[in-house]
Amino acid sequence: AQTIHQWPVAEIKAVGSPLSLGCTIKGKSSPNLYWYWQATGGTLQQLFYSITVGQVESVVQLNLSASRPKDDQFILSTEKLLLSHSGFYLCAWSLEDRDTQYFGPGTRLLVL
Amino acid sequence: GQQVQQSPASLVLQEGENAELQCNFSTSLNSMQWFYQRPGGSLVSLFYNPSGTKHSGRLTSTTVIKERRSSLHISSSQTTDSGTYLCAHSGGSNAKLTFGKGTKLSVKS
Repeated sequence: AQTIHQWPVAEIKAVGSPLSLGCTIKGKSSPNLYWYWQATGGTLQQLFYSITVGQVESVVQLNLSASRPKDDQFILSTEKLLLSHSGFYLCAWSLEDRDTQYFGPGTRLLVL
Repeated sequence: GQQVQQSPASLVLQEGENAELQCNFSTSLNSMQWFYQRPGGSLVSLFYNPSGTKHSGRLTSTTVIKERRSSLHISSSQTTDSGTYLCAHSGGSNAKLTFGKGTKLSVKS
């Protein structure tokens, strides 16, 4: 069975500090991977997607970057957090490009 | 850019009642999905339905491409159905998926 794990579960960070959020998918090879962000009370937005290792496409510019160092790993990061980065971050995978997406449990981030 | 309008914004039902949630798109449709967002925030995929009608238990999704709309029907609602229902659309693939603001459903016992 496929499992998707996100870390950390929650984080409180200071403005200007760096951030790294992780996502790992087990039990499925070469999945398409996605990062999403939702501000509190806001609309879910797709940030990045990746169809293969080392290849990441940006959808929304939020002063964040993403990388896919391994087939089963997707990393979201920034060197300098902004207050506006607060919210809920979700990672997802799909088997094919036009297919059901499966979401991780999410990471809640508060920037102070 | 793409816009996704969901209605109603919120809905309160008595247990056992049916619900009809709507999703309208401003651009041509190629990919259409429905999700359930739990109160804690995590998402569950309900339907990947670019066209036609699909059923899953008490849920039915109908997408009419020409009319640029999709609906989610919940029959015999239960208190455990409470949460937010999101629809998402893209002009093609899962890439560049645009979400609606959601319908917040509350089912009372």
